Amino acid sequence: GAGVSQSPSNKVTEKGKDVELRCDPISGHTALYWYRQRLGQGLEFLIYFQGNSAPDKSGLPSDRFSAERTGESVSTLTIQRTQQEDSAVYLCASSLVAANYGYTFGSGTRLTVV
Amino acid sequence: KQEVTQIPAALSVPEGENLVLNCSFTDSAIYNLQWFRQDPGKGLTSLLLIQSSQREQTSGRLNASLDKSSGRSTLYIAASQPGDSATYLCAAAVSGSARQLTFGSGTQLTVLP
Repeated sequence: GAGVSQSPSNKVTEKGKDVELRCDPISGHTALYWYRQRLGQGLEFLIYFQGNSAPDKSGLPSDRFSAERTGESVSTLTIQRTQQEDSAVYLCASSLVAANYGYTFGSGTRLTVV
Repeated sequence: KQEVTQIPAALSVPEGENLVLNCSFTDSAIYNLQWFRQDPGKGLTSLLLIQSSQREQTSGRLNASLDKSSGRSTLYIAASQPGDSATYLCAAAVSGSARQLTFGSGTQLTVLP
């Protein structure tokens, strides 16, 4: 597609439920990143995928968070047993080759845990 | 650990003014630096990308500079317009395999008509 697509755009879930967020990167972009932006705060790096290499999970805040990517296409970010502090905008970005040509971000998924 | 700071946190200017937004980073070993704008409720729009070997980049009314030795970048906006109102974020890509971005907290710009 022309840009990075994320779905859903908004998600309200009850505390304790699992949620799955989806990211469709730009076709041909080998690098894919997930970031989180809590209200009034800066963006935090979560996880990085580059081709078929093992992902860099150093930014994941807890073992309730996991992400997968199939080859160089769609990625899903899963949050298990959601907590209120997980409420944030989750942003996905892709890059042609890890940051060489900059990042293109999606519009994000706004997650609210009630 | 890389830290990125943006000053000022908020800025309000009348239409037509030229303005400068500041960004500083603590680790000069960056891969590149990117400026974004974020509109309320929206994602990030890339404005300018400066590779570590470059000193500046220009796009239309925007000019971004990079001084790695002093750990600073500036975004210059000429002849500001109300449509420029947004939050401006700078982000440094750390060296290393992942090259993930470390973001500043942003400058919220309001251009008054």
